[in-house]
Amino acid sequence: ETGVTQTPRHLVMGMTNKKSLKCEQHLGHNAMYWYKQSAKKPLELMFVYNFKEQTENNSVPSRFSPECPNSSHLFLHLHTLQPEDSALYLCASRVGPGGGTGELFFGEGSRLTVL
Amino acid sequence: QQQVKQSPQSLIVQKGGISIINCAYENTAFDYFPWYQQFPGKGPALLIAIRPDVSEKKEGRFTISFNKSAKQFSLHIMDSQPGDSATYFCAASIENSWGKLQFGAGTQVVVTP
Repeated sequence: ETGVTQTPRHLVMGMTNKKSLKCEQHLGHNAMYWYKQSAKKPLELMFVYNFKEQTENNSVPSRFSPECPNSSHLFLHLHTLQPEDSALYLCASRVGPGGGTGELFFGEGSRLTVL
Repeated sequence: QQQVKQSPQSLIVQKGGISIINCAYENTAFDYFPWYQQFPGKGPALLIAIRPDVSEKKEGRFTISFNKSAKQFSLHIMDSQPGDSATYFCAASIENSWGKLQFGAGTQVVVTP
């Protein structure tokens, strides 16, 4: 496989459930990101990891918990979510500052619906 | 506070026409301005990008115009084709900030046959 792969593509969960989103990149990049995409709104940066270390938490509620065990994998653990958390969650990766063209490579997203 | 403002929210253009999308930004430290294209069911993909040392960049039918003094940049799609129907996002960042892009809200472009 190449590029950025996200699983699952669709997820429906109740407000008391615990679930996880997974992202894997096969590009040899150093930085990985979680973005939230809601209809008619800008993509919202949630978390940034570089070399497995979290370098950005954009005031995200604690019900979202990221995990980056290595430079190729990124998880977003979800618990006690609210209906307004329903959105498309996008994972992205890039080479890192000073390298490459600055391009972010996105996965196809995980469509989350919270009932 | 939205750092990048994009307009229009949507536009419909006939095949062969010109699509124009505008963006404005506030932070003068931004030095990297990409445009991303997103098709339904897919993630955004980089279309074209510009840095503020040039006023225009062209790649095929896609052109970015950049006005540093006005803090504005725009995407022109020439000879629009039905395959160009997608949502377009402008973005801006400080290049060495680990790619923390600030995105516009997106423009849905529909090209009619």
